[in-house]
Amino acid sequence: GQNIDQPTEMTATEGAIVQINCTYQTSGFNGLFWYQQHAGEAPTFLSYNVLDGLEEKGRFSSFLSRSKGYSYLLLKELQMKDSASYLCAVPRGSGGYNKLIFGAGTRLAVHP
Amino acid sequence: DARVTQTPRHKVTEMGQEVTMRCQPILGHNTVFWYRQTMMQGLELLAYFRNRAPLDDSGMPKDRFSAEMPDATLATLKIQPSEPRDSAVYFCASAASSGEGETQYFGPGTRLLVL
Repeated sequence: GQNIDQPTEMTATEGAIVQINCTYQTSGFNGLFWYQQHAGEAPTFLSYNVLDGLEEKGRFSSFLSRSKGYSYLLLKELQMKDSASYLCAVPRGSGGYNKLIFGAGTRLAVHP
Repeated sequence: DARVTQTPRHKVTEMGQEVTMRCQPILGHNTVFWYRQTMMQGLELLAYFRNRAPLDDSGMPKDRFSAEMPDATLATLKIQPSEPRDSAVYFCASAASSGEGETQYFGPGTRLLVL
């Protein structure tokens, strides 16, 4: 099966750095996605990691350790607009099909 | 600016009524997904299609839900009869292929309330 765990809520201050963790258990690993979802809106793609290590994209970086079943999303220089839910997701099982299983999401509140 | 579109954006109906939700995937995308999101269950996959063929609908209650792709530009999700527990946001997403690393692009969702 595939269990995905993320913290439910986090708070941070504008300008700070925050790390959102995600742990997963999967019978066959095919990469890990991070999506951002603002309240009342659709999820939007942030990153995809399939190899170990850190991938940086501007203020957002995503890290993956396949041996530990662990990923994190790092948000730097936080802005108010970063207040949103952050969902990690893994493709289900193996077989080449992109059926994503989503975590429950981490609701991030950025305060002035 | 290519986007997934969904109609209606909001729907309020009474228990027992039929509900049809529509989705237009991004032109050229061959994989379409239907998700349901609630506070309790989060984002759940209901069904998905590749090249208009249903590949997996195991997440969908078969007795009342049905999903189809009449053509490459239209996907539909139907609930008949609807029940209050179906109240949720229903998202359609599309991807350029069904490969493992392929990004899914989500539509704005249909917010359904069944009274």
